[in-house]
Amino acid sequence: DEQLLESGGGLVQSGGSLRLSCAASGFTFSNFAISWVRQAPGKGLEWVSAVSGGGDSTYYADSVRGRFTISRDNSKNTLFLQMSSLRAEDTAVYYCAKEILVAEAGTMWFDPWGQGTLVTVSS
Amino acid sequence: SYELTQSLSVSVALGQTARITCGGNNIGSKNVHWYQQKPGQAPVLVIYRDTNRPSGIPERFSGSNSGNTATLTISRAQAGDEADYYCQVWDNTSGWVFGGGTKLTVL
Repeated sequence: DEQLLESGGGLVQSGGSLRLSCAASGFTFSNFAISWVRQAPGKGLEWVSAVSGGGDSTYYADSVRGRFTISRDNSKNTLFLQMSSLRAEDTAVYYCAKEILVAEAGTMWFDPWGQGTLVTVSS
Repeated sequence: SYELTQSLSVSVALGQTARITCGGNNIGSKNVHWYQQKPGQAPVLVIYRDTNRPSGIPERFSGSNSGNTATLTISRAQAGDEADYYCQVWDNTSGWVFGGGTKLTVL
């Protein structure tokens, strides 16, 4: 059974830093890109960042580029999100999600998702 | 940037058919994926590549996609189907794109 389990969320002051982790099990971790997707309280889903299976390619939403860094340790089946210069608008539940890519069709989707970890940035 | 538009809310009577739409420019040329999110829970994939159901998703859930609108159809709606539903596409320019979400209420 494929599973993702996030940790590391908490309360942090504006301008501070936090590191999220996502532990994967039940699939060959290094074969899949993984994304972080966040959801502000009462709002919709917002894609944040992604990393390729090998870790050599990374992608960021404009809203976090230059402040967040995604990485992975395939030897430990773990994904990370280092967040710095945090702002009140970064307050959200952060989910990690495994990407299913069908390159020849030019599409991808997320399955499964972790249960999420809450990040609260106080101003 | 590519945008997906969803109605804020849809209501359906118990046992009837609910239709949740996702609008986008020529969305019919893209593959659309749908997620169900119940309160306090993580999203769950219910439809991928327009019409496909993952294992464990009831046959009552189906999808279609043509022109500028993709549709998630839930037949014989149950109280347990009450949730927020999000559409998602991959766009070559905008990357990972989600719709704003639709809250389904079963009356």
